[in-house]
Amino acid sequence: KNEVEQSPQNLTAQEGEFITINCSYSVGISALHWLQQHPGGGIVSLFMLSSGKKKHGRLIATINIQEKHSSLHITASHPRDSAVYICAVVLREYGNKLVFGAGTILRVKS
Amino acid sequence: SAVISQKPSRDICQRGTSLTIQCQVDSQVTMMFWYRQQPGQSLTLIATANQGSEATYESGFVIDKFPISRPNLTFSTLTVSNMSPEDSSIYLCSVEDSYRTSGGARQFFGPGTRLTVL
Repeated sequence: KNEVEQSPQNLTAQEGEFITINCSYSVGISALHWLQQHPGGGIVSLFMLSSGKKKHGRLIATINIQEKHSSLHITASHPRDSAVYICAVVLREYGNKLVFGAGTILRVKS
Repeated sequence: SAVISQKPSRDICQRGTSLTIQCQVDSQVTMMFWYRQQPGQSLTLIATANQGSEATYESGFVIDKFPISRPNLTFSTLTVSNMSPEDSSIYLCSVEDSYRTSGGARQFFGPGTRLTVL
């Protein structure tokens, strides 16, 4: 079993829909990252969370440390949101080592 | 935040040759990380590079295959040696934000180097 599990693996949505991507982990962490990777390969850091909820524009990220679960929400989705969304956790024992989920491929159709 | 550039952005190489990838950061950082992303896979940490010391390699990665240099606080190179088609991947460098919170530090990634080995 992977230490970081994401669901769904693939997601197709219609423009304007509300989107949720989930991340569950099985290890002790000090923080969790949500990353966005576009087809060219470059990665952008969206959020780093250690508790609660963060919001940036149409993106919202939440984390429940007790349940070892995080969600990334996209409101009013747009075709430019199409990308791979990756959850990565910072292992508590190793300070700054990241362990990555497999990613969720999101396609938003107009 | 940190702005990271990588060279080359992509390359196609012959089996048995070596390629050196450069990573430049616009600010001084203590730790730099090198990742590999094989086709259809997520990222895997190759090694952590600190300035002034030997790189620390993850299980499954060795210095002879992936030698790393870290001559100063803004620059690092990763060499993929004696390449085979299995080395075809995206290689990314990453740094931590110099500002750390109680939960950790944001990570910034370079644009990646897309390597194809024939």
